Amino acid sequence: GAVVSQHPSWVICKSGTSVKIECRSLDFQATTMFWYRQFPKQSLMLMATSNEGSKATYEQGVEKDKFLINHASLTLSTLTVTSAHPEDSSFYICSVHKRNYGYTFGSGTRLTVV
Amino acid sequence: QQQVKQSPQSLIVQKGGISIINCAYENTAFDYFPWYQQFPGKGPALLIAIRPDVSEKKEGRFTISFNKSAKQFSLHIMDSQPGDSATYFCAAGGTSYGKLTFGQGTILTVHP
Repeated sequence: GAVVSQHPSWVICKSGTSVKIECRSLDFQATTMFWYRQFPKQSLMLMATSNEGSKATYEQGVEKDKFLINHASLTLSTLTVTSAHPEDSSFYICSVHKRNYGYTFGSGTRLTVV
Repeated sequence: QQQVKQSPQSLIVQKGGISIINCAYENTAFDYFPWYQQFPGKGPALLIAIRPDVSEKKEGRFTISFNKSAKQFSLHIMDSQPGDSATYFCAAGGTSYGKLTFGQGTILTVHP
């Protein structure tokens, strides 16, 4: 399958600050990446689809001004949580789709906002 | 039409037993049905996937059974081991759909 690297693995930030999470496709050029959020003991919820060179497509109910997605190259997508608040604390996971191999997920980022 | 319903929510099996998890979908446009295994603090890892042109796929101890007419698919884990204890998610998507929709997840515990 694909090789996906996500960084950082965990981050703690103060309420009101911004946090950037990186997702890298290491072995192929990904024109599309996906960002998910997972609360404890819950399923993965798709937040947005990141498209290289164009604006991300956000799922209904996801604030695009709060969760900024940048897909500036074929191997890197970033998710920035702006003005983070404790309710944004969650597990954020990126994913890429590679033809014939399906969807591969990153190792996830645990965000804690204090 | 986007939902994927998964059951049971939790499952306890003895070592060596068979674990069975079921999923049902609504959107007939789905043509890709993967199962993922997730350990705490980790991202989901693909276990096995199936497309609707086959009714069963087996890889090692893991088997997917697929019933297109009923819009249901299931994961069977044979000879379950304590190391299989994890959360399992079914999902559905497709080349035309472009993204995955996940089931609610099943917490599997295999007792030694």
